[in-house]
Amino acid sequence: AQKITQTQPGMFVQEKEAVTLDCTYDTSDQSYGLFWYKQPSSGEMIFLIYQGSYDEQNATEGRYSLNFQKARKSANLVISASQLGDSAMYFCAMREVYTLNQFYFGTGTSLTVIP
Amino acid sequence: DTAVSQTPKYLVTQMGNDKSIKCEQNLGHDTMYWYKQDSKKFLKIMFSYNNKELIINETVPNRFSPKSPDKAHLNLHINSLELGDSAVYFCASSSSGGDQETQYFGPGTRLLVL
Repeated sequence: AQKITQTQPGMFVQEKEAVTLDCTYDTSDQSYGLFWYKQPSSGEMIFLIYQGSYDEQNATEGRYSLNFQKARKSANLVISASQLGDSAMYFCAMREVYTLNQFYFGTGTSLTVIP
Repeated sequence: DTAVSQTPKYLVTQMGNDKSIKCEQNLGHDTMYWYKQDSKKFLKIMFSYNNKELIINETVPNRFSPKSPDKAHLNLHINSLELGDSAVYFCASSSSGGDQETQYFGPGTRLLVL
């Protein structure tokens, strides 16, 4: 079974609108971390936001927030007030406490912001 | 000041050649990784080293050989390059201090085999 599933290969959003990128995960561990990375067309992988499995509050970093629904095993990324520079690939990833040396990545979602 | 650096950034070579990619991190991390990203942007883990020990060795042709001379370096040597090896190779590092520790990526090496 896939550890991380991103079901949206591509998404479009109007500039200044909010957009949600979906991510579901599969784990039997009680302790794990969830991460989102951004990969712009220039190619580098940029860490955006982290959510711990025991965190009761949803993580936020500027215009990025993580909608964490533990029972549903989902960790959706919400980008508010989209900007043209948000156009990129976005990857969801998970790290389990008992396999600390492995990060599991999803297949990514390509986001295009339309002016 | 670069956290994770890779050299070279671009590598164009002929089929059958042998090439190496170098990676260095100055974050004090104890775990380093090599990933391959294909043209469809799928990120595939190849190897992971923790304190210079090979921890993850995914199904990768044995033409690929990683080498970690110390905790700050993880190099990737590729023998007898094939067309299908063309991809972007990312080095990354992290701490094994807990599941909250994120992974930091190098800028990637774009390999093109002709």
